[in-house]
Amino acid sequence: DIQLTQSPSFLSASVGDRVTITCRASQGISSYLAWSQQKPGKAPKLLIYAASTLQSGVPSRFSGSGSGTEFTLTISSLQPEDFATYYCQQVNTYPLTFGGGTKVEIK
Amino acid sequence: EVQTLESGGDLVQPGGSLSLSCAASGFTFSNFAMSWVRQAPGRGLQWVSTIGAATTNTFYADSVKGRFTISRDNSKNTLYLQMNSLRAEDTAVYYCAKGLWYSTAWYYDYWGQGTLVTVSS
Repeated sequence: DIQLTQSPSFLSASVGDRVTITCRASQGISSYLAWSQQKPGKAPKLLIYAASTLQSGVPSRFSGSGSGTEFTLTISSLQPEDFATYYCQQVNTYPLTFGGGTKVEIK
Repeated sequence: EVQTLESGGDLVQPGGSLSLSCAASGFTFSNFAMSWVRQAPGRGLQWVSTIGAATTNTFYADSVKGRFTISRDNSKNTLYLQMNSLRAEDTAVYYCAKGLWYSTAWYYDYWGQGTLVTVSS
């Protein structure tokens, strides 16, 4: 199975900060990676797919990059509504796998 | 508006069975792969199973293989998950997710609100 390791697992930041989350795959997955956001008690919401394609309706402050084994999600200027948990997911190979999550909290 | 609405979650004893449903609307259901993803209390997301648009292809996590069966009825726009031989570690919120086809892969762009399955005596 392909393991996805997210770092950090917890991040404390202020409104307006630039935030970067990393996802490393245990083997190459080309660009078959998605990023999702989840708020407490809510369903996950797709932000980015194919490593860097912004999902319709998602603010442009979110961006994704990377290929192969290393990927990043960047929030250019953190907004109050962005405090949530973020997950990466690989769709290159079954079984599909998720990273362990990065919780972004208010400093 | 795309919607997926899960139902069927309940409290069930270890070794018991449960059937989940996911009613889809707002898109041509038969054209899209669908998946089940679960989340144990306080834990991260775990993929459970995927079924292709034409129902011929199914995939399962090792942890549920042989116990869970995914199926779909395209005439009813409904996705199912039959869960047998349930274990305490199957306790989770189960989400159904709609596929998004892009560059030879299925991503998941709409998720329901989930249904809670609790396995306990």
